[in-house]
Amino acid sequence: AQSVTQPDIHITVSEGASLELRCNYSYGATPYLFWYVQSPGQGLQLLLKYFSGDTLVQGIKGFEAEFKRSQSSFNLRKPSVHWSDAAEYFCAVGISGNTPLVFGKGTRLSVIA
Amino acid sequence: GAGVSQSPSNKVTEKGKDVELRCDPISGHTALYWYRQSLGQGLEFLIYFQGNSAPDKSGLPSDRFSAERTGGSVSTLTIQRTQQEDSAVYLCASSLNYGQGSSYEQYFGPGTRLTVT
Repeated sequence: AQSVTQPDIHITVSEGASLELRCNYSYGATPYLFWYVQSPGQGLQLLLKYFSGDTLVQGIKGFEAEFKRSQSSFNLRKPSVHWSDAAEYFCAVGISGNTPLVFGKGTRLSVIA
Repeated sequence: GAGVSQSPSNKVTEKGKDVELRCDPISGHTALYWYRQSLGQGLEFLIYFQGNSAPDKSGLPSDRFSAERTGGSVSTLTIQRTQQEDSAVYLCASSLNYGQGSSYEQYFGPGTRLTVT
């Protein structure tokens, strides 16, 4: 069965600094990969997704992620963090288009002035 | 258009009571998913519907949990004889999986926070 690891439970960055959130997955083939963000008391919002093709994908709110097959990783990046980016970030994988997602435990991002 | 909606937003119930949680997916979305989000457990899959049938119920934690979907639209998750360990946020998601313009993105509702006292 597939699994997702987000090694960092909590990350604190300064506003304006760059950000990278790590995600590693375990699956025998190339899965469908997603990053979601959850603000306090809110549902999950899709930031970006990877199905195939260009391994660098652009998402909303200035986020991007890069799929690296050799490392089984799909790390999320943002060049300059804003205070409004403080939230919980979840990486998720699916083995096809219509199967339930398997989520990582999440990484909580705090942004300081 | 309207997103996924869930009701109630909050539910407090006594141990042993039954509860029903409702999910209204995005109109036209064929697939519907229930997940549970609890402290220390992250997001866990519960059940998945394609139309009105549930090809995957593997995540339901016990036979106290059941779900149905009618008319290919609204879904209800029922928990019988609630226990304190059922306290969590129950999230519903929907996606358009088939046909032209199908998308594999799951769109999530705001969730129902269930507290069992």
